[in-house]
Amino acid sequence: GENVEQHPSTLSVQEGDSAVIKCTYSDSASNYFPWYKQELGKRPQLIIDIRSNVGEKKDQRIAVTLNKTAKHFSLHITETQPEDSAVYFCAASGRTGGYNKLIFGAGTRLAVHP
Amino acid sequence: KAGVTQTPRYLIKTRGQQVTLSCSPISGHRSVSWYQQTPGQGLQFLFEYFSETQRNKGNFPGRFSGRQFSNSRSEMNVSTLELGDSALYLCASSFPGSEMITDTQYFGPGTRLTVL
Repeated sequence: GENVEQHPSTLSVQEGDSAVIKCTYSDSASNYFPWYKQELGKRPQLIIDIRSNVGEKKDQRIAVTLNKTAKHFSLHITETQPEDSAVYFCAASGRTGGYNKLIFGAGTRLAVHP
Repeated sequence: KAGVTQTPRYLIKTRGQQVTLSCSPISGHRSVSWYQQTPGQGLQFLFEYFSETQRNKGNFPGRFSGRQFSNSRSEMNVSTLELGDSALYLCASSFPGSEMITDTQYFGPGTRLTVL
């Protein structure tokens, strides 16, 4: 079935450093890839998403890249700040599993140290 | 616009009971998806409703069911509760565009269900 693998499971960086989280998906028909940030006790919040007709998307300090051939996509956070500390989830969705059915990775706990 | 709301926020039930959770989507959104979040299994898709019809379903037993009303509000029901049903249940709403793409989903705060 559909599967999304996410690495690393934990990531610790110093404030100002960059952070990179990688995800691999199994379903080649997947065409939508969102990233969510979830702070402790809060709801998942969409931070950026990308569709399969785009290779890269950027929003201020956050960027996502997509490699359809290799079936992987990555989240890049530059100039990290302590408020970036949270759990980040990648997800994939597409025709095979049904649109609006998000398959999530296991999450990455990011800690940004001042 | 007000965000997605869910009620109740917390529930404690005992094994064998049933529970109903409610989700009100963002105004104008007609699709509601439900997810279960646990430390062990992560975020798992339960089902999606659009125009009062279940459009997608995940791999959960028949004890998990849902419905959607004409105002797009949705409820999910879990019957014969088991200890393993303890989880955060999240709903997400989206504004449907074409039926051929996935719409951006916005999550509610969740309902924390504890089964004793």
